[in-house]
Amino acid sequence: GQNIDQPTEMTATEGAIVQINCTYQTSGFNGLFWYQQHAGEAPTFLSYNVLDGLEEKGRFSSFLSRSKGYSYLLLKELQMKDSASYLCAVGSGNTGKLIFGQGTTLQVKP
Amino acid sequence: ETGVTQTPRHLVMGMTNKKSLKCEQHLGHNAMYWYKQSAKKPLELMFVYSLEERVENNSVPSRFSPECPNSSHLFLHLHTLQPEDSALYLCASSREPGVLTGQYFGPGTRLTVL
Repeated sequence: GQNIDQPTEMTATEGAIVQINCTYQTSGFNGLFWYQQHAGEAPTFLSYNVLDGLEEKGRFSSFLSRSKGYSYLLLKELQMKDSASYLCAVGSGNTGKLIFGQGTTLQVKP
Repeated sequence: ETGVTQTPRHLVMGMTNKKSLKCEQHLGHNAMYWYKQSAKKPLELMFVYSLEERVENNSVPSRFSPECPNSSHLFLHLHTLQPEDSALYLCASSREPGVLTGQYFGPGTRLTVL
């Protein structure tokens, strides 16, 4: 079966670091994606991992371990505008199919 | 970001109505997607089109009928919907249908079925 798990909610303080975990079990794997979605808006692409290791992009980094079926998104120097839902998604097959987790709602407090 | 646009942004319809959702991408992409986002549920892929050909139909009921007349436009025709079909319908596009490139989402159509 297909299963992607991530925490439902997290809270962190402005200026801090937060790590959002994602575990997956899927029948195929073509890469792991992270998206950010602010309330009432469309998801926006953040990062993509297909090989094991850490990908860094500014304040955001994403890590992948394929053998463990595990990824995390690391957000540094948190800002209030980072309050949003963070969606973990796994690519499966060759038709562009993405399987999404239910998202982690992050609240950044002053 | 106005690369992917969707109209209407909000739609209220009765169960006997017929309506259509429209998506247009201005990014020169070759693949387009329809997703459904219900409250407290993960984003669900509905359809994938690659170069105007449907390549994925994710067990979607026939009351949802997609149409892709060209690589820039995607429609979702709706008829005899149920209240449980109320959700946010998101369109996305990507350069190629494979997942080596990110998908870019439109703002969505908030659909309410009475």
